[in-house]
Amino acid sequence: SQQGEEDPQALSIQEGENATMNCSYKTSINNLQWYRQNSGRGLVHLILIRSNEREKHSGRLRVTLDTSKKSSSLLITASRAADTASYFCATDEVGYQKVTFGIGTKLQVIP
Amino acid sequence: EAGVAQSPRYKIIEKRQSVAFWCNPISGHATLYWYQQILGQGPKLLIQFQNNGVVDDSQLPKDRFSAERLKGVDSTLKIQPAKLEDSAVYLCASSLGLAGRGETQYFGPGTRLLVL
Repeated sequence: SQQGEEDPQALSIQEGENATMNCSYKTSINNLQWYRQNSGRGLVHLILIRSNEREKHSGRLRVTLDTSKKSSSLLITASRAADTASYFCATDEVGYQKVTFGIGTKLQVIP
Repeated sequence: EAGVAQSPRYKIIEKRQSVAFWCNPISGHATLYWYQQILGQGPKLLIQFQNNGVVDDSQLPKDRFSAERLKGVDSTLKIQPAKLEDSAVYLCASSLGLAGRGETQYFGPGTRLLVL
């Protein structure tokens, strides 16, 4: 089963705009990670946020986590055509030694 | 550092045939994962190994799927017999430690399986 649910499922923006993707999950977590998948490729780890953190930055990426609402958001600022990919959240559930991926947001950045 | 290697990259078979996928994780990574990713969905964990022991195989359809990780390094995933609904990308990933502790997983390019 898939714990995370990304929203929107698809997003199309112009180059230079910001892109925001949301992830909602159902159970208590230790960590939440975001991964990117370019078409036809494997997933690449972007950023991890722990359950006791509220916000984290990495380059043009900003991730927030609200454990009371069981949700996270990924913001990509000043998007580039190369950011075109699918983005997945992945949760480390409390009590389990595995990661569960969401259904993903497909981002298209138009040059 | 070499990444996770998978082969073959593509495979087309007929239903009821068998197929095997191979994965070589990053050197030194104790944990190895096999995921199934159906078109338009996120990866679904099939099986997770810690060294050569199984940590989680709760979503592996054991009547047709099997996996092994001999000597705690390479791994093979087998489907026998294949069904139409097994058409998917099979992703292998590895990490230094166990998932659930914030470990980064490194993914291979995947094997795209089409069952006709």
